[in-house]
Amino acid sequence: NAGVMQNPRHLVRRRGQEARLRCSPMKGHSHVYWYRQLPEEGLKFMVYLQKENIIDESGMPKERFSAEFPKEGPSILRIQQVVRGDSAAYFCASSVRRGGRDEQFFGPGTRLTVL
Amino acid sequence: QKEVEQNSGPLSVPEGAIASLNCTYSDRVSQSFFWYRQYSGKSPELIMSIYSNGDKEDGRFTAQLNKASQYVSLLIRDSQPSDSATYLCAVRSGSARQLTFGSGTQLTVLP
Repeated sequence: NAGVMQNPRHLVRRRGQEARLRCSPMKGHSHVYWYRQLPEEGLKFMVYLQKENIIDESGMPKERFSAEFPKEGPSILRIQQVVRGDSAAYFCASSVRRGGRDEQFFGPGTRLTVL
Repeated sequence: QKEVEQNSGPLSVPEGAIASLNCTYSDRVSQSFFWYRQYSGKSPELIMSIYSNGDKEDGRFTAQLNKASQYVSLLIRDSQPSDSATYLCAVRSGSARQLTFGSGTQLTVLP
């Protein structure tokens, strides 16, 4: 019973390049969340998606960041024209609502380093 | 601004002792509460969820919720060195699906 999968685990980009982070939810889970953890800081919500729909992107920076969860394939978090301040751990979580309960399980994360 | 507050620590307890971790939240309509454990360089791991007032026990872990005081705690009995980690309190408010996290409490269990 595979958990949440993320790749790559480590990603190095130079300033101005694009970063693509992928997330496959747990089997049977239809909700995907992206969180960012800056060095020495807590987890911050970025975006919540269901298949083919962005439900809540209130935590996403207004520029350069986008997310999708297509009908087929993993969810993608895309960062265009990366800057040093984008260096962080990006975690994906998935959940399924059952009986009024809704627990999120996290993937191993992608650690992005911007040179 | 919904806030979740935790003492950052570090909190040190001797092996075999009870570790007590505390969390307060500002949004009164919060409904779901979670404790995650995060080892250094790893991802958060869900260890407890609690939805109603009172205590919930799971093995060595007990979560306590008091909605009137907007307070949730985690007790770890018979603490082990392997419990040394950062413990994150997370809250879901109202109809929102995302979690709001505290900054975490770093726990060290001394052998």
